[in-house]
Order: sequence, then C-alpha cells, then structure tokens
Amino acid sequence: AQKITQTQPGMFVQEKEAVTLDCTYDTSDPSYGLFWYKQPSSGEMIFLIYQGSYDQQNATEGRYSLNFQKARKSANLVISASQLGDSAMYFCAMRVFETSGSRLTFGEGTQLTVNP
Amino acid sequence: EPEVTQTPSHQVTQMGQEVILRCVPISNHLYFYWYRQILGQKVEFLVSFYNNEISEKSEIFDDQFSVERPDGSNFTLKIRSTKLEDSAMYFCASSRVGLGGYEQYFGPGTRLTVT
Repeated sequence: AQKITQTQPGMFVQEKEAVTLDCTYDTSDPSYGLFWYKQPSSGEMIFLIYQGSYDQQNATEGRYSLNFQKARKSANLVISASQLGDSAMYFCAMRVFETSGSRLTFGEGTQLTVNP
Repeated sequence: EPEVTQTPSHQVTQMGQEVILRCVPISNHLYFYWYRQILGQKVEFLVSFYNNEISEKSEIFDDQFSVERPDGSNFTLKIRSTKLEDSAMYFCASSRVGLGGYEQYFGPGTRLTVT
C-alpha cells in the first residue's frame, strides 16, 4: 500500500521569501505520480504541480517547483517569492499507476501562513 | 477556463435521511471521482467512475453510497441513510484520462452536515 507523509503541520514564511514544504512517500511500485494541491480557506482544491517517477527533470510551474529526490522518496514543494495569497493548506498526493488505478492518496497537509 | 461545479455548496440533513450531492464535471472529461474530507483531516478517496460504471472504490464506499451519471453532464453521489460520521466536505473531481500522469480537477466541494 502507498503512503504519503507530510511532517509539517504548519509553516510560516515572510512575504517574498522562498519556502519548502516537505513530502515523503512510500511505495514499492516503480511507476507513480506525485501531485501537490493547494486548499485555500474557501475550501476548493487547486492543482499546482505534477512529477512522474520516470521524469528526468524536476517539475516547475511558475513560482512552484518540485524537489524530487527519488532515492530518498521525497517530493518537496518549493514556493519562491511567497505572496500573501499563498497562505493556504497544501496537500501532497500520490497515485501508483499499476496497483491503485486512478485514486489519489493524500498526505495530512501543511498549513502555510505568509506573513507581511 | 472550464471547471468542475458542485451543488449545493452546503447541505444540512438529519441522521437517517438520504442525500444526493451533485456535480457537473468538465465537459470533455471521461473519468469522475468522489473524495471526502472530514473537518481537519486529509482528503480520502471514495470512488472512481468511467464508462457508466464504478472502476474503483475504497473501503469507505460501502452499500450506503452509490454513484450515478443520470445524463450527459451530471455525476451524483447518493448517501442512502446518513450517519453523523458522514459529515464532511465532499469533493467531486474529473480528469480527461484515467491512467498515467494527469491531474484531477476538483470542484469547490459540498459541505455535508448531518445532525
């Protein structure tokens, strides 16, 4: 079975600084995908970034980048130049392609607060 | 930009009552999902649906739950006899394909409160 662990219940960062949100995962399957979602206080789930297990390069999407370290089974999200609007809950999720079909398995989440 | 919509945004119901949560997935998407998030907890997978049938379900999705695509646009989750522990945010999601590296687009959620 697959598992996602986010060990930081809460993180604080100053506006305009970078912040790293940690995510580790556990699976024995070689083929999987890792996702990050943002959940603002309004409740919706917003897709941010995706990394495939066979991707050679770390994924980037604007101010978001994913620090993928396969040997360590970590997929940390880096947000550069934090903005007040980045304050939200962030979830790391995984899908194992062969065994779990289409389901996403989520971590516990990290509440990010950006201070002015 | 196309988006997943859900109605109602908030539903209050009494224990033992049936509820139907409605979703309109993105129009060219073929795979549909329901997830739930109990307050303060992580998001949990309930069920996935493709080609008018359930393709996968979790242990949470017991006989009290059912899903349906009654027409070409709506996707519904029915809870037959609600329990207090069914109180949660329910998210509908959809995706264009079902395998490989693709994102699932989530709706804004329906907050279900069972009293």
